[in-house]
Amino acid sequence: QSALTQPASVSGSPGQSITISCTGTSSDVGGSKFVSWHQQQSGRAPKLIIYDVSNRPSGVSNRFSGSKSGNTASLTISGLQAEDEADYYCSSYTSTATLVVFGGGTKLTVL
Amino acid sequence: QVTLKESGPVLVKPTETLTLTCTVSGFSLSGDRMGVSWIRQPPGKALEWLAHIFSTDEKSYSTSLKTRLTISKDTSKSQVVLSLTNMDPVDTATYFCARAVAYRYVNSFDVWGQGTMVTVSS
Repeated sequence: QSALTQPASVSGSPGQSITISCTGTSSDVGGSKFVSWHQQQSGRAPKLIIYDVSNRPSGVSNRFSGSKSGNTASLTISGLQAEDEADYYCSSYTSTATLVVFGGGTKLTVL
Repeated sequence: QVTLKESGPVLVKPTETLTLTCTVSGFSLSGDRMGVSWIRQPPGKALEWLAHIFSTDEKSYSTSLKTRLTISKDTSKSQVVLSLTNMDPVDTATYFCARAVAYRYVNSFDVWGQGTMVTVSS
């Protein structure tokens, strides 16, 4: 069982917006600004799309945005495109003995 | 261009020790805030963080696997090595190394290796 809780799947039609949640505790998501999101397309290595809650690395589309409220972080993808179909993982720094925790992943299907 | 590449055995037997090497290029393992983590992913399952080594040589481990893991680096060779003892079929996974640029608050990995699939079977 993963330390951070994500929905197993979400779906949306092209052009729509979707939001994926990532729920943790005050020791991880709720305790700092150090939450990230990675996109993993089928058969490929993950790719960083959001870091420090809401920052986008250079080259990542501004259709991806991140936010956080309390112990829950969220990833929003606007203007869904077929190429967004992938698995999405949140990760967080944790003040416990383990340094980093991941979520269980969310499979995004573009209908 | 920053790259990371994993190498190691494809198949290991139960109880054996797995040793994986991550060879990096485009940055120095002793550079300011440069660290490398190992992360694994069993087939069809989620990512699991295993260990991290900071530029200072400080190390951090997953509490659930701490007794079996060792991470080290050879800066002159630009290599980070992970050892996992007493391998079991449940350790079958794709193992990734990834860079994290952070003094302490590791959470994001900006460059990943392609991953190496390791199967544990007799």
